[in-house]
Amino acid sequence: KQEVTQIPAALSVPEGENLVLNCSFTDSAIYNLQWFRQDPGKGLTSLLLIQSSQREQTSGRLNASLDKSSGRSTLYIAASQPGDSATYLCAVTDSNYQLIWGAGTKLIIKP
Amino acid sequence: EAGVTQFPSHSVIEKGQTVTLRCDPISGHDNLYWYRRVMGKEIKFLLHFVKESKQDESGMPNNRFLAERTGGTYSTLKVQPAELEDSGVYFCASSPGRDRGRRETQYFGPGTRLLVL
Repeated sequence: KQEVTQIPAALSVPEGENLVLNCSFTDSAIYNLQWFRQDPGKGLTSLLLIQSSQREQTSGRLNASLDKSSGRSTLYIAASQPGDSATYLCAVTDSNYQLIWGAGTKLIIKP
Repeated sequence: EAGVTQFPSHSVIEKGQTVTLRCDPISGHDNLYWYRRVMGKEIKFLLHFVKESKQDESGMPNNRFLAERTGGTYSTLKVQPAELEDSGVYFCASSPGRDRGRRETQYFGPGTRLLVL
């Protein structure tokens, strides 16, 4: 059974710092891994999608890596801004085409 | 282009009552998904429609939950009768359907926050 874990559960850093969010999964048989952002009272926004054959994806200040063999992914946020404050969720598409989710990391960027 | 919309945004009902949640996917998207996040837990898959057909309903918790997608457009999720443990946020998502979800991003609605008292 696929399980996705995100560490830490919460993180608070000063504005301008670079930071890393971690995601691990127990079964390497995945089609892809996605990082989402959720703002309070709003839906989920897909930030980056990494196919199982890829090692990383970049979008602006965001860089996500995937090491399928070790069951790990990281989301790197460069030069953090207060607007980056949100809950970040990691999810994998498993062999049944279902999204299996982590519990999320609540990120607070202090001005 | 309008995104995925969900109605209502919030619902507060008493145990034993019935609630119907609605999801309007992005126009032209064949895939429609329902997910749920109960307090303090991970988001869980409920079911997946391809057009009007249920492709996978393995995540539906029990027979108090009934999902429909009439004509392959909008979808409803009915909870009857509601129980306390049904409280949570119900998300809907859609995707075009060209690649059975392997490469496609799912586009999520804002969710419906359900509270059963």
